[in-house]
Amino acid sequence: NAGVMQNPRHLVRRRGQEARLRCSPMKGHSHVYWYRQLPEEGLKFMVYLQKENIIDESGMPKERFSAEFPKEGPSILRIQQVVRGDSAAYFCASSPPDRGPPGGYTFGSGTRLTVV
Amino acid sequence: AQSVTQLDSQVPVFEEAPVELRCNYSSSVSVYLFWYVQYPNQGLQLLLKYLSGSTLVKGINGFEAEFNKSQTSFHLRKPSVHISDTAEYFCAVSAGLMDSSYKLIFGSGTRLLVRP
Repeated sequence: NAGVMQNPRHLVRRRGQEARLRCSPMKGHSHVYWYRQLPEEGLKFMVYLQKENIIDESGMPKERFSAEFPKEGPSILRIQQVVRGDSAAYFCASSPPDRGPPGGYTFGSGTRLTVV
Repeated sequence: AQSVTQLDSQVPVFEEAPVELRCNYSSSVSVYLFWYVQYPNQGLQLLLKYLSGSTLVKGINGFEAEFNKSQTSFHLRKPSVHISDTAEYFCAVSAGLMDSSYKLIFGSGTRLLVRP
């Protein structure tokens, strides 16, 4: 039973390019959460999605960032026109349909984005 | 608003010594509390969680934590550490019993450095 799969593990982008981060939840999980970890900081909530729905995007920057979780395929976090301040580790977590309290979360290994 | 404070950014300790990593939180509502461990370049792994019931919670790898409501603390302890415990440890809180309980608020982390 594969865990939460994130790819790529490492991503290097030049300023102004687009970054696309992918997250495949655990089998049977239909809830996806994205968190960002800036250097020397803890993780910060970005967005919570269910299939084809954004439930809570209160942690998403207002511009350049978007997320989706289509009916088929992985969840995508898209960052347009990246800047150096976007350099961070981006973690995805998933949970089953009944959600339950958190800690039913399973985290992926993250995508480390470096903007040069 | 909820917040989590991990006062110690780094805790050096010798192998086989006991260790305590401190975590304090602020919240006006009932909370769920968690400790996660992050090994270098990896994702987060749940060590233990407090949802309700006994205030002493035992987790994996010999770790335990005690929920103290009056002091709003959830300190992590291990009686005898190993070199392999060297990692970053994150305390997190969520608003239990609320619709937003899925959202974890993380502390800034404590780096445990175990020396031989």
